[in-house]
Parts: sequence; structure tokens; C-alpha cells
Amino acid sequence: DQQVKQNSPSLSVQEGRISILNCDYTNSMFDYFLWYKKYPAEGPTFLISISSIKDKNEDGRFTVFLNKSAKHLSLHIVPSQPGDSAVYFCAAGNAGNMLTFGGGTRLMVKP
Amino acid sequence: EAGVAQSPRYKIIEKRQSVAFWCNPISGHATLYWYQQILGQGPKLLIQFQNNGVVDDSQLPKDRFSAERLKGVDSTLKIQPAKLEDSAVYLCASSLAGRVGQPQHFGDGTRLSIL
Repeated sequence: DQQVKQNSPSLSVQEGRISILNCDYTNSMFDYFLWYKKYPAEGPTFLISISSIKDKNEDGRFTVFLNKSAKHLSLHIVPSQPGDSAVYFCAAGNAGNMLTFGGGTRLMVKP
Repeated sequence: EAGVAQSPRYKIIEKRQSVAFWCNPISGHATLYWYQQILGQGPKLLIQFQNNGVVDDSQLPKDRFSAERLKGVDSTLKIQPAKLEDSAVYLCASSLAGRVGQPQHFGDGTRLSIL
């Protein structure tokens, strides 16, 4: 039973355009959500998070949107850069700070 | 600030052998996590420590996996005996204790291959 799902295994975007990565969840008890970025042979790196009581959080080129009624979150990267090419994981956290991860989306930003 | 350190980076063993992984968290991080990441999937939490106590180990296959964090800093994860399905990357993460929503910071992992 996958509580956190990323339905797009890959996404290709032109440099300078917007990248939108999506994530769906089933458990309405999650308290917060995070996005991690992962390069090959490295561990996931924290990007941005959002509390379940908010609907938007922005940090530079990265914005996370949360739609609680739809149990959906998305990560927007504007403008996309070739260095953004990586696998992106969304994760959901509970009050005990335990994370449940999605399966990841591979983003390729073409120059 | 030094990140989460893990060793070894790679390990190849035969099935039924034993293996151990080591993790040193970020200084001052009281909470430590071990994850298993199978190829093509997201990380799956195995065990969470707060200082040297276990907070949650509900997803740890306790018949073959064990973990300890004796002095509340370094941690080891052991598999004995290993099975083919244990081939994965084992990630260690740490975070500050207390507030809900603290991001976890990951090491680069140990890639385990079982022959």
C-alpha cells in the first residue's frame, strides 16, 4: 500500500522553462511534506518543505504547492537549469518525524 | 558543518553471510534513521533512534536485521544472514530533535550487493 506516489517516473524540460513535479498521498494525517533531490551515487539532499497548514512555500527558484483537499503536492522549479537534472523524491512526515517517500521522478533539463 | 558519514561505500557479499554498516550523524543531531533504498524505489524507513533509544523499528526485519546506537552518536546496522532481496543502498540520516518537521540530512549510503 503506497501512501505516497509519484506517478511520473521521468520528466524532460528545456532549460529556462518551468519544471513541475507532482506527488499524491493517501494519508490525511501527514503533518508536513518535503522534496529531496538526488544525484547518482549520492544521498538525497533536502530542498524545500511545507507544513500541512500551509498551501505554498517558496525558496528561490523552488516553490512547493499543497492541495489538501486533493491530497496533492507539486514542486515548481523556475527557471529550470541543467544542474537541476536529478531524481526528485517527495516525502510525507508524521508527528514522530518519520518519513514516507514516493518512488521518485527523474528530471532531465536539456540545454 | 560536516555531513552524515557512512562506511563502507560499497560491499559485496554472498547470501547467508553477515555484513555491518556504520554511520556517524551530524554533530548535535539527536535523531538518527536507517533507510533501505531498493533500485527504482524511494527510501524506506527501517529504524529511528532518539539518542540511544529506539523510537520505531516496526519495518525492521528483526529476524535478520539489527541496529544499535550505544552512546547516542554513531550507529551500526547489521544483517545476518543476508538474502538476495537485501541488495539495496542503505542510507543513514540524522536530524535535530524536538520540533515536528525538522528536515532529515542523508549520508551517501552503502551500496550492498548480494551474490
